[in-house]
Amino acid sequence: GENVEQHPSTLSVQEGDSAVIKCTYSDSASNYFPWYKQELGKRPQLIIDIRSNVGEKKDQRIAVTLNKTAKHFSLHITETQPEDSAVYFCAASKGSNYQLIWGAGTKLIIKP
Amino acid sequence: EAGVAQSPRYKIIEKRQSVAFWCNPISGHATLYWYQQILGQGPKLLIQFQNNGVVDDSQLPKDRFSAERLKGVDSTLKIQPAKLEDSAVYLCASSPLGPDTQYFGPGTRLTVL
Repeated sequence: GENVEQHPSTLSVQEGDSAVIKCTYSDSASNYFPWYKQELGKRPQLIIDIRSNVGEKKDQRIAVTLNKTAKHFSLHITETQPEDSAVYFCAASKGSNYQLIWGAGTKLIIKP
Repeated sequence: EAGVAQSPRYKIIEKRQSVAFWCNPISGHATLYWYQQILGQGPKLLIQFQNNGVVDDSQLPKDRFSAERLKGVDSTLKIQPAKLEDSAVYLCASSPLGPDTQYFGPGTRLTVL
């Protein structure tokens, strides 16, 4: 079955610097790749997603890139701010059920 | 647009007791998911409904967990009897048909003593 690996598990960056979180997936049929942000004690919320017919997508300070050949996708956050501190989850979806297979999460810490 | 509603928000029970959670998805969303999220881990899918039919319940511990989706709208998840390891946040999510955003409810934090 599908497996999604996410790295690193913890990422600490200086405020204003960039952060990159990487995920790899195993099933080449996967076609939808969302990223969720979960603040402490709150629900996961979608921040950006990408479909397999697109290589890159940007939304202000956030971007996602997809390499279908290598079966990996990455989240890029530029000009990090304290409110970016959270746990970020990647996921991959395929098939008629559109289930999400989740990565283990990355705790992003923004140092002032 | 109203979001996914869940109740209760918090529940504390003793092991071997039973508990039920309720979810009301976003209006018109065909697909409903129940996830279990243990502290420090990602969400784990327990069951997925499409309208009022079960699409996948392969990770639902059926000896103690049950779920139903009444008339393809609201859903309830029940645990009977609860174990200590069931302590977690139970998240409900909904989405339209197809590969699309899953919208999460606020979750129910269950503590089993």
